[in-house]
Amino acid sequence: GENVEQHPSTLSVQEGDSAVIKCTYSDSASNYFPWYKQELGKGPQLIIDIRSNVGEKKDQRIAVTLNKTAKHFSLHITETQPEDSAVYFCAASKRDSSYKLIFGSGTRLLVRP
Amino acid sequence: DAEITQSPRHKITETGRQVTLACHQTWNHNNMFWYRQDLGHGLRLIHYSYGVQDTNKGEVSDGYSVSRSNTEDLPLTLESAASSQTSVYFCASSESRVSAGELFFGEGSRLTVL
Repeated sequence: GENVEQHPSTLSVQEGDSAVIKCTYSDSASNYFPWYKQELGKGPQLIIDIRSNVGEKKDQRIAVTLNKTAKHFSLHITETQPEDSAVYFCAASKRDSSYKLIFGSGTRLLVRP
Repeated sequence: DAEITQSPRHKITETGRQVTLACHQTWNHNNMFWYRQDLGHGLRLIHYSYGVQDTNKGEVSDGYSVSRSNTEDLPLTLESAASSQTSVYFCASSESRVSAGELFFGEGSRLTVL
């Protein structure tokens, strides 16, 4: 089955700097790669996603890149702000009869003011 | 507004007791999921359902069961709670039938098994 590895487990950056979180997946049939943000005491919430027919997607200060050959994808946050502090999860799934998401282990991002 | 709610939000129980965590969504989504969240493991899938009367095992299903008698609810039952089942449990739902899409999560249920 699919396995998703996520690094780093914790990341501390200065406000205004960029943050990058990386994930690798094992199943070459995976074709959907979302990123979720979890604030303290809340459930995860989708912030951006990418499908395998696209190499990069941007939404304001966040972007996701996908390298299908290497089977890895990354989340980039530019001009970080204190409200970006949260736990971020990557995930992967494939289009078949069981399109359930397999999540990475999470990255705790701290943005220092 | 449509939403997904979990209850109870916090529960303490004893080893061997049966526990049921409720999940109710008002989006009329066909797909519902239960995950557990543990430090260092992220979110792991316990059970999922693609519609009424449909249930499937996820990657960590041992000791858990679900039933889907209507679209709105997917209760998660721990038949005989164990300390290893101390965790935060999240229910989620999604709309897409064709391909994977956004999951909408509840706010979680923190379960402590003593």
